[in-house]
Amino acid sequence: SAVISQKPSRDICQRGTSLTIQCQVDSQVTMMFWYRQQPGQSLTLIATANQGSEATYESGFVIDKFPISRPNLTFSTLTVSNMSPEDSSIYLCSVVGLGVRDEAFFGQGTRLTVV
Amino acid sequence: GEDVEQSLFLSVREGDSSVINCTYTDSSSTYLYWYKQEPGAGLQLLTYIFSNMDMKQDQRLTVLLNKKDKHLSLRIADTQTGDSAIYFCAEPPGGYQKVTFGTGTKLQVIP
Repeated sequence: SAVISQKPSRDICQRGTSLTIQCQVDSQVTMMFWYRQQPGQSLTLIATANQGSEATYESGFVIDKFPISRPNLTFSTLTVSNMSPEDSSIYLCSVVGLGVRDEAFFGQGTRLTVV
Repeated sequence: GEDVEQSLFLSVREGDSSVINCTYTDSSSTYLYWYKQEPGAGLQLLTYIFSNMDMKQDQRLTVLLNKKDKHLSLRIADTQTGDSAIYFCAEPPGGYQKVTFGTGTKLQVIP
């Protein structure tokens, strides 16, 4: 299994500012995933972060808006840039491959409110 | 791409059984999962079923898999107020890849 620490757990931010979310895993993992969960919605994958290479973004998400860092095998950050109220969501980091059944493990999420 | 669909909302009385349904499209998954998201929390793996199984029972939870119809269900017996949460079915394409989540079913348990 994996223990994933994500912070901050919540924040209220002014529009036009940026917020960096941190994700720390207690084991080394090749890939980390960042999801967005808009109010009342399912999870939408933002990007996949590999150590040592640029993140791979899903359709509808761009690096300028959601820059990602992956400096080592246990840590990643997601920045939400130039925020607007539409960015108000829960952001979750996730890893796969540390369990025996390929299950995904999640951080507790960052609840972001943009005012 | 894969689409995993669920009904959005289910309301049951405490003590009754809950059945949450899921329809998936990718038949190559080795496992299929059910995740639970309690209010204000991340997702936690609730249970899973191996794709060559039809049924799996785990205490109050029963997972049924119909591969022919690509239908997965989660039955919670003797539903408790602590079961109130959003339940997501999910499938991985296999091996260190992203997981595709269903739309989520919000279960409301009425005391």
